[in-house]
Amino acid sequence: QSVLTQPPSVSAAPGQKVTISCSGSNSNIGINYVSWYQQLPGTAPKLLIYDTDKRPSGIPDRFSGSKSGTAATLGITGVQTGDEADYYCGTWDSSLSAAPLVFGGGTKLTVL
Amino acid sequence: EVQLVESGGGLVKPGGSLRLSCVASGFTLRNAWMSWVRQAPGKGLEWVGRIKSKIDGGTTSYAAPVKGRFSISRDDSKNTLYLQMNSLKSEDTAMYYCTTGTTFLGGWGQGTLVTVSS
Repeated sequence: QSVLTQPPSVSAAPGQKVTISCSGSNSNIGINYVSWYQQLPGTAPKLLIYDTDKRPSGIPDRFSGSKSGTAATLGITGVQTGDEADYYCGTWDSSLSAAPLVFGGGTKLTVL
Repeated sequence: EVQLVESGGGLVKPGGSLRLSCVASGFTLRNAWMSWVRQAPGKGLEWVGRIKSKIDGGTTSYAAPVKGRFSISRDDSKNTLYLQMNSLKSEDTAMYYCTTGTTFLGGWGQGTLVTVSS
C-alpha cells in the first residue's frame, strides 16, 4: 500500500488530454513539493516534473504539474503513442511513520 | 550530462550480503545528495535510503524495511556511491537504481538487478 494514491491506469486517444491524480496528506503533498517520473517500458524512470510544476530541460510543455491541498495532478496534452509509460508521483513525507521519500503506486498510461 | 552507472547486482542466497556501486560522472558528486531507489519485478518504485553531501553533514536515512540491514556510503574521491546490503531477504529482490537530488530525483542510473533466492 503506497503512501500516495494514484489510479492504476488511464487511457487516452492520440491528441487528447489526460490527467493523472496523486492523493496524499498534510504530512507529504500538503506541505512539500511534488515530482513526477516517467518510466517507459524496460527503462529507468526519468524526471518529468519537479517542484510541483516545473519542467526539466528537454521535457516538452505538453507535460504540466499542479497541486491543490493534499492532491497533485500531472497533465499531458496532445497525447502521443510515445507517451505510453508508467507515471509515478513522489514527495517527501514529514510524518514519523513514513519513509522520508514516498512514491505513488504508479499509473499506466495506455494510448488507444 | 549526469551519468550514473550501477554495478554489483546478482543472485544471492537469503541471509547473504551484496555491495552495489554507483559511479557518477558529469557532475560533482561531493556536492550531491544521493539516494537508492528499488523496484521489485512488476511493482512500483520504493525509496531505499539517502546520504547527504558531506558539506550538509553526510548523514544517512533509510526506509523502515531495510533499516539496520542496509548501509549507504560514499567515496567522493572515486565519484562512487555504495549500498551495502546484509541479511538479504527474498523481498529485497528488485532492480536497484542510484539517483541524485534533494527535493526531487533528477538523475537516475540504468539499474542493477538483485535476486535473492535459494
